[in-house]
Amino acid sequence: NAGVTQTPKFQVLKTGQSMTLQCAQDMNHEYMSWYRQDPGMGLRLIHYSVGAGITDQGEVPNGYNVSRSTTEDFPLRLLSAAPSQTSVYFCASISSGGALETQYFGPGTRLLVL
Amino acid sequence: ELKVEQNPLFLSMQEGKNYTIYCNYSTTSDRLYWYRQDPGKSLESLFVLLSNGAVKQEGRLMASLDTKARLSTLHITAAVHDLSATYFCAVKWVSNYQLIWGAGTKLIIKP
Repeated sequence: NAGVTQTPKFQVLKTGQSMTLQCAQDMNHEYMSWYRQDPGMGLRLIHYSVGAGITDQGEVPNGYNVSRSTTEDFPLRLLSAAPSQTSVYFCASISSGGALETQYFGPGTRLLVL
Repeated sequence: ELKVEQNPLFLSMQEGKNYTIYCNYSTTSDRLYWYRQDPGKSLESLFVLLSNGAVKQEGRLMASLDTKARLSTLHITAAVHDLSATYFCAVKWVSNYQLIWGAGTKLIIKP
């Protein structure tokens, strides 16, 4: 299993540009999420999905869109990039519930908005 | 609103010493996670704590949970340099899958 994969690893955007961060998992997990991590802060939830066709907002959703057309893929779209969106973005999926439930993280995408 | 506070936020210690990282949270939760992050890397799951009094150990790390006090601790025994990393706790909100994260504790262990 590849686990959770993210592309690209690094990206530089100009203010106002749009782009899509890709996330895929091959573990057949229903729940997936997107976080951003800023220096000195914990992770903040942007959007999450509990299954194909179902998405919801997290703590900091403004400026981002998501869709979930398949169980495997959960792309994050930046509509019009702003310098405040400079961050490291992590995608994660959650194994099934119960005592062994845990979140698996992708390697992250470092985004710089100029 | 669920808030999670970790302390200390930064810890520099010598090899061989013991220390504890604290994670306080503000409302009822049904589980608490500890993660490790190395510089420039992703997050690695260390422990999942489900119930009051839960204690889990892996090598030199031991995590415990007191749901009545809304407190979890991560204890490091006889620290070694390889444990240098940033450690995060995250608390799952009862109502949904959302995790609320602490700010992280950056741990530096000097040889």
